[in-house]
Amino acid sequence: DGGITQSPKYLFRKEGQNVTLSCEQNLNHDAMYWYRQDPGQGLRLIYYSQIVNDFQKGDIAEGYSVSREKKESFPLTVTSAQKNPTAFYLCASSNRDPGYEQYFGPGTRLTVT
Amino acid sequence: EDQVTQSPEALRLQEGESSSLNCSYTVSGLRGLFWYRQDPGKGPEFLFTLYSAGEEKEKERLKATLTKKESFLHITAPKPEDSATYLCAVRYYKLSFGAGTTVTVRA
Repeated sequence: DGGITQSPKYLFRKEGQNVTLSCEQNLNHDAMYWYRQDPGQGLRLIYYSQIVNDFQKGDIAEGYSVSREKKESFPLTVTSAQKNPTAFYLCASSNRDPGYEQYFGPGTRLTVT
Repeated sequence: EDQVTQSPEALRLQEGESSSLNCSYTVSGLRGLFWYRQDPGKGPEFLFTLYSAGEEKEKERLKATLTKKESFLHITAPKPEDSATYLCAVRYYKLSFGAGTTVTVRA
């Protein structure tokens, strides 16, 4: 089955630690995205990538980093510089540019204490 | 500034009680409006794309319509399994999401 996988589903970290969230897709989509979702707010774009080895900052990139070494994979690292990292993180993919419908993974809930 | 506003924030319906959700947007040069359904603790599920005023799309009990300034998601004779948060997103150079409307349908 084609789709997007994110792992792990739940992640717990101590303050000051970097943590990497995994996102893999087998939809053969060129573009991939990372969003953050907080209660009562819309999804906010962290980073996106339209082709391998290239990515752009979204609206809230500070404290996050990404890589795109393979078309299928777009991992997100939440660094210790992110002031409020506890959130629900969603990965998505789409054909071509961000204007096409995006398909989402199941999400990773990160809790930092 | 807010680009996409969804109302109401929450909607409680009796099974069979039809209603509508609103998504208003302020972006110019709209290049598409998207509706998603999200269940608690899960990723959003794509429902519809609308591109031009007057366009309508249907899926089971859901019907989405689009005008120049807003979109409506109509839920006809809802069932408890329609309970979810419905998200609207508009495309200009990226997707901009609203905060969602949480729908609860009671049996």
